[in-house]
Amino acid sequence: GENVEQHPSTLSVQEGDSAVIKCTYSDSASNYFPWYKQELGKGPQLIIDIRSNVGEKKDQRIAVTLNKTAKHFSLHITETQPEDSAVYFCAASIMNDMRFGAGTRLTVKP
Amino acid sequence: GAGVSQSPSNKVTEKGKDVELRCDPISGHTALYWYRQSLGQGLEFLIYFQGNSAPDKSGLPSDRFSAERTGGSVSTLTIQRTQQEDSAVYLCASSADRGLYGYTFGSGTRLTVV
Repeated sequence: GENVEQHPSTLSVQEGDSAVIKCTYSDSASNYFPWYKQELGKGPQLIIDIRSNVGEKKDQRIAVTLNKTAKHFSLHITETQPEDSAVYFCAASIMNDMRFGAGTRLTVKP
Repeated sequence: GAGVSQSPSNKVTEKGKDVELRCDPISGHTALYWYRQSLGQGLEFLIYFQGNSAPDKSGLPSDRFSAERTGGSVSTLTIQRTQQEDSAVYLCASSADRGLYGYTFGSGTRLTVV
């Protein structure tokens, strides 16, 4: 089955800096790649997603890139703010099976 | 409803007791999932329901865990004879179709077995 690896497990940045979280997947048939943000005491929330026919997608300060050849995708957050502090999960999906990465705890220091 | 609703939000139970956790998915979502999240850990898949199909129970950790989904809507996760290692946050999510759309998660039920 699909295996998703996520790095780093923790990331600390200064407010205003950029943050990048990377994920790799094993099955080239994966065709949908969502990212979730989980704040303390809440369930994960979908923040952005990308499909395999697209290389990059941007929504204000967040962007996701996908490299199908290398089987990796990344989340980019620019101009980070303290409210971006959370745990971020990537996921990769093949039709009827979605697998999550282990998560990245992002801390944005004011 | 507007989102996925889970109840109770917190549950403390004594070891050996049975507990029931409830999930009310977004209206019209055919797919429903249960995940377990231990403190500071990732998402552990438990069970998946899709429409009227037989559920995918491959993630259930033991036969003490069971789940049902009535009328294709509300789901109940039951843990029998709870153990301390069952302590975790149990998350429910729903989606319009598995694998093709993102999931909408509820806020979870924090279960503490004492």
